[in-house]
Amino acid sequence: GAGVSQSPSNKVTEKGKDVELRCDPISGHTALYWYRQSLGQGLEFLIYFQGNSAPDKSGLPSDRFSAERTGGSVSTLTIQRTQQEDSAVYLCASSTLAGEWETQYFGPGTRLLVL
Amino acid sequence: GQNIDQPTEMTATEGAIVQINCTYQTSGFNGLFWYQQHAGEAPTFLSYNVLDGLEEKGRFSSFLSRSKGYSYLLLKELQMKDSASYLCAVRDNNDMRFGAGTRLTVKP
Repeated sequence: GAGVSQSPSNKVTEKGKDVELRCDPISGHTALYWYRQSLGQGLEFLIYFQGNSAPDKSGLPSDRFSAERTGGSVSTLTIQRTQQEDSAVYLCASSTLAGEWETQYFGPGTRLLVL
Repeated sequence: GQNIDQPTEMTATEGAIVQINCTYQTSGFNGLFWYQQHAGEAPTFLSYNVLDGLEEKGRFSSFLSRSKGYSYLLLKELQMKDSASYLCAVRDNNDMRFGAGTRLTVKP
């Protein structure tokens, strides 16, 4: 596609359920990033992928969060046993190279609400 | 964001110039970025500074002083559509940290 796409655009779930968020980066972009933005808060970096590997996972908030990327393209962010504090907009971005953070292009985000 | 400070809100008049300041602390500085984010939308990249000095892109300019841990975003000839949040972000080693954003309101 022409830009980064994310699905679902909105997700409402019950506390304790697992959710899976998907990101389709711009074709040919080797680097992919996940962020989240809570209501009224700044962006929080979660994890980035260079190809299929994630050099640094320390930004993930807890061990309930995991992310994977296969085939150097689509990435999924999984949140297990969701909590209300997980409610946020989850943003994905991609860039041509992991070193070129300045050329990140953001997707529209997935708005997650945990009841 | 931790150790990235920028004003919460600013107001300016259409056609005027506004400067949004950002101060930061890092252990392994590796670049400073400015993003624009309209309400309900994803951020869009505005500028990137890794060396000291001024980078100009049309109506927008960004300045960096690494020794002072300071940057500013300068917006000239303000337009109503410039009303948005402006996020300062710093790459600290492999981590990317964002300020809480400055909400700019442009008035007629």
